[in-house]
Amino acid sequence: KNEVEQSPQNLTAQEGEFITINCSYSVGISALHWLQQHPGGGIVSLFMLSSGKKKHGRLIATINIQEKHSSLHITASHPRDSAVYICAGGSNYKLTFGKGTLLTVNP
Amino acid sequence: GAGVSQTPSNKVTEKGKYVELRCDPISGHTALYWYRQSLGQGPEFLIYFQGTGAADDSGLPNDRFFAVRPEGSVSTLKIQRTERGDSAVYLCASSRPTSGGPSSYNEQFFGPGTRLTVL
Repeated sequence: KNEVEQSPQNLTAQEGEFITINCSYSVGISALHWLQQHPGGGIVSLFMLSSGKKKHGRLIATINIQEKHSSLHITASHPRDSAVYICAGGSNYKLTFGKGTLLTVNP
Repeated sequence: GAGVSQTPSNKVTEKGKYVELRCDPISGHTALYWYRQSLGQGPEFLIYFQGTGAADDSGLPNDRFFAVRPEGSVSTLKIQRTERGDSAVYLCASSRPTSGGPSSYNEQFFGPGTRLTVL
């Protein structure tokens, strides 16, 4: 069993829809990272959080330390949001990654 | 400023050959990480450098894999006697440690990766 689990594995939405991607982890972590990876492109860090909630534009990330669960929300989704979203648990310097969620937003 | 760069962007080699993959971190970042991402999977940790030394190489799959960072900046991942199973995207990341607290609180900046194909 992977120490960091994401759901869903694949997600297709219509432009404008509210998107939620979930992440559960079984390892002890110091921080939870949300990353974005476009096809053929590198990885961009979206959020790094250890408690509560962070917001950046249309993106919101929350974490519940007690339940070892984090969610990434995208409001008013747009086709340019189409990418793989990866959550990763950080313990000291090491990141343990989930397998990613492939999001496709159709116009 | 410049981000993390990796060369080559693509490398095709034959089984049994030796390959070197290069990573140029962001200037001033003392921490450097190598990851490997197989198709449809998330990245997997390979090795972590703090300065010139490999602080943790527990993710290297076997002794065919080796990485160096002789001057604490550029790093080279070396793979000997490549196998078809080594085919993957090799990602490099760097970060600047804070003055206190675990380095996991530091944002890691990723390079574009090197896609290695072993025929």
